[in-house]
Amino acid sequence: ETGVTQSPTHLIKTRGQQVTLRCSSQSGHNTVSWYQQALGQGPQFIFQYYREEENGRGNFPPRFSGLQFPNYSSELNVNALELDDSALYLCASSPRAKTGHNEQFFGPGTRLTVL
Amino acid sequence: AQRVTQPEKLLSVFKGAPVELKCNYSYSGSPELFWYVQYSRQRLQLLLRHISRESIKGFTADLNKGETSFHLKKPFAQEEDSAMYYCALKYNNNDMRFGAGTRLTVKP
Repeated sequence: ETGVTQSPTHLIKTRGQQVTLRCSSQSGHNTVSWYQQALGQGPQFIFQYYREEENGRGNFPPRFSGLQFPNYSSELNVNALELDDSALYLCASSPRAKTGHNEQFFGPGTRLTVL
Repeated sequence: AQRVTQPEKLLSVFKGAPVELKCNYSYSGSPELFWYVQYSRQRLQLLLRHISRESIKGFTADLNKGETSFHLKKPFAQEEDSAMYYCALKYNNNDMRFGAGTRLTVKP
């Protein structure tokens, strides 16, 4: 069984650019959640995808968008990057139904630095 | 607003001593609370959830709705318990709110 993987590991962008982060969910998992973790803080929920549809969103602006593919892998896109977007971005997958909560399995994260 | 507070950023205890990591929450609905742990160079992982009422690696956590707390406890800390611990609140069915975390160090 393969765990959650994320790519790239590290990324450096400049202000105003766009970035795409990728996540492959654990085998058998149909739900993916994305989190932003700033230095010294806990993860902040960005959004969740269930069977290719957004299934909940945190307090993030529309320039944070996502996709989930038929194989349940996912992308996080951030447009018009700002310095405060510098953070560790975590992806977590779970084998949950539309409601209820199953254990989330986290990936190693992508470290984004915006200069 | 939903909020999770972990008042201690750092906590240090000696091996064999009891340990309590504090977590307080604010939420008007029926809370679902979790503890996540991140060991050095490992991924964030679920430690326990309040609905399971389980003990994992000797840790327990009791939901106290009156005090809006979900403190994590272990009677005898071990060196391998040294890690970052996050309390998390699930609300609106899908959103998860994490605390800022407490770094626990267990000294030999």
